[in-house]
Order: sequence, then structure tokens, then C-alpha cells
Amino acid sequence: EAQVTQNPRYLITVTGKKLTVTCSQNMNHEYMSWYRQDPGLGLRQIYYSMNVEVTDKGDVPEGYKVSRKEKRNFPLILESPSPNQTSLYFCASRSEAGGHNEQFFGPGTRLTVL
Amino acid sequence: AQSVAQPEDQVNVAEGNPLTVKCTYSVSGNPYLFWYVQYPNRGLQFLLKYITGDNLVKGSYGFEAEFNKSQTSFHLKKPSALVSDSALYFCAVRAPTGANNLFFGTGTRLTVIP
Repeated sequence: EAQVTQNPRYLITVTGKKLTVTCSQNMNHEYMSWYRQDPGLGLRQIYYSMNVEVTDKGDVPEGYKVSRKEKRNFPLILESPSPNQTSLYFCASRSEAGGHNEQFFGPGTRLTVL
Repeated sequence: AQSVAQPEDQVNVAEGNPLTVKCTYSVSGNPYLFWYVQYPNRGLQFLLKYITGDNLVKGSYGFEAEFNKSQTSFHLKKPSALVSDSALYFCAVRAPTGANNLFFGTGTRLTVIP
């Protein structure tokens, strides 16, 4: 089954404790992206990657890091989480073949930083 | 800069009645427009998209949307609402050039009343 998976689905942590949210897709998509969803703000892009070893900042990159060492994986790293990073996070991927393709989203990771 | 506005946070409609969820956009050039739906505790699912051609596009679950260039709108419609259509709906726009990132609206919660 074609899908985007994220782990963990739920995470409660404390300020300053480094964490990684994994994202993996099995569709051989070139483009991958991370978003955070907050009430009243919709989805805002954190980072995106056009292909392996090619990453760039989105609209709200502060406090986050990403890497794209393999085509299928795009982990989101919070080196020193803070309470304002409490949010619902979504990973997404998209094929770049042919252009204008829709994005496929993972199920989401709900993060709480105390 | 591109932007998307969903002027209604909440739309209530009776089951069997037609529904409309509004979206207006701002982007340089001809836009690529998308609608996504989010059911509780789920990721976003693609509904439909407008790239070019016929202004009326049809998508999943009986939804359709009309692209209106003069009004810069892309309203989502369905002739007869179902209770199962109750969800959070997001409009998104993508510029035809540049990084090709999706920019999302803040979302509209649709409630279909039995």
C-alpha cells in the first residue's frame, strides 16, 4: 500500500530534550515536506526537500532541522524543544514527474513539550 | 507572495442540502489550486485540483470546485451534503514557478447536521 508513515504518533517530552520524528514514504517520491498544524493558523511549512541531499527552509524553520540522506526518509529533528513547538506535525511527499501532482500526507505526530 | 484565504472558520449545513466552502487566493501567474480534507485524527487527504482547462473540476466523494480567475476564487461545492462529509477542509495554492511549495489556508470546519 502506498503510504507515508510517521513515528511516533504521540510524544510528550520536556523542554530541551532532543527528539526526532521519523517520516518514510514508499512511493519513490522526490519531494518531501514537513508541516505543523496549529488552531487558526492552518498548515505552515517547516522544511522541504526536492531530492536526496537537497533541503530548504519553509515558512517556520526556526528550532528545527531535517536531513535527506535517503530518498524514502525525511526525519524532523528538534535539537532543543520548547513549549511553543507543541503542535501537530505532518510529513508529506509528492512525485515531481509530470508536474502539478498532489501531496500525500502521513497520519500526523502530536507533540507536547512541557 | 502567495496567500490563501478561507473566510469562514465554520460552515453548518443540513444533510441533503448543497454545501459551499469558500476559498480565495493570491499568487503571481496562473495558480495551481488544491482542496484537501482532514477527518478527525487523520492526515490530510487530497480531494481535487485545478491546473488548467475546464474551470469546473470534479474530485473524490462527489465534491467539485469552480475556478474563477476574475474573482481569484476556488470554492468547493457538493450538491447534496452527507453527515460523513463533516470534517476540516483546506484550500491550498501553489505558484507555477519557483520552489513549488503548497501554501495552505487556515481551514474551514464543515458540520453536516442530520
